[in-house]
Amino acid sequence: GAVVSQHPSWVICKSGTSVKIECRSLDFQATTMFWYRQFPKQSLMLMATSNEGSKATYEQGVEKDKFLINHASLTLSTLTVTSAHPEDSSFYICSARGESDTGELFFGEGSRLTVL
Amino acid sequence: GQNIDQPTEMTATEGAIVQINCTYQTSGFNGLFWYQQHAGEAPTFLSYNVLDGLEEKGRFSSFLSRSKGYSYLLLKELQMKDSASYLCAVVDSNYQLIWGAGTKLIIKP
Repeated sequence: GAVVSQHPSWVICKSGTSVKIECRSLDFQATTMFWYRQFPKQSLMLMATSNEGSKATYEQGVEKDKFLINHASLTLSTLTVTSAHPEDSSFYICSARGESDTGELFFGEGSRLTVL
Repeated sequence: GQNIDQPTEMTATEGAIVQINCTYQTSGFNGLFWYQQHAGEAPTFLSYNVLDGLEEKGRFSSFLSRSKGYSYLLLKELQMKDSASYLCAVVDSNYQLIWGAGTKLIIKP
């Protein structure tokens, strides 16, 4: 099946620094990728929809200047958490829509961010 | 508004059968997904239903009734490794996924 790779799996950073998370579709082209955030014991919360070659669409309440999303190619989307603070500590997961008619989503492995 | 309802938590015994229900009210319908998620890991695909009826895949089966806005995931011959959260997600008219909060399934020996 389709594979989505997310990197890094774990990242610890100091408050005020920026962190970049990459999401790659390894064996298919993904015109649309999604970024989710998941706090402990909570469901996935869609942050933004990333469209190749255009600006991301952010969900209500998500600061677009804080969570920068770039989808410069059909196989790569990046999420940059700028000036991270402890409350940004979370599990960030990307997904890409497959090429089948079902529009099945394939998920990356997730990135656990801890801001000290 | 759009709404997906599924039980918060369920408990079952190893070797038994459990049914996890999902009801939905969405603007349009283009299919329903079930995903399994172990703690600290990304979700993994289990099933996709777009037509009414039962889809069987090994120990897991998924059922859909579009007229009732209802789906269930049936897990047979439960194993300890089936302890996880099970997420129901509906594809709406804009082809966006609307997620349920997930059902935490606890398997006891």
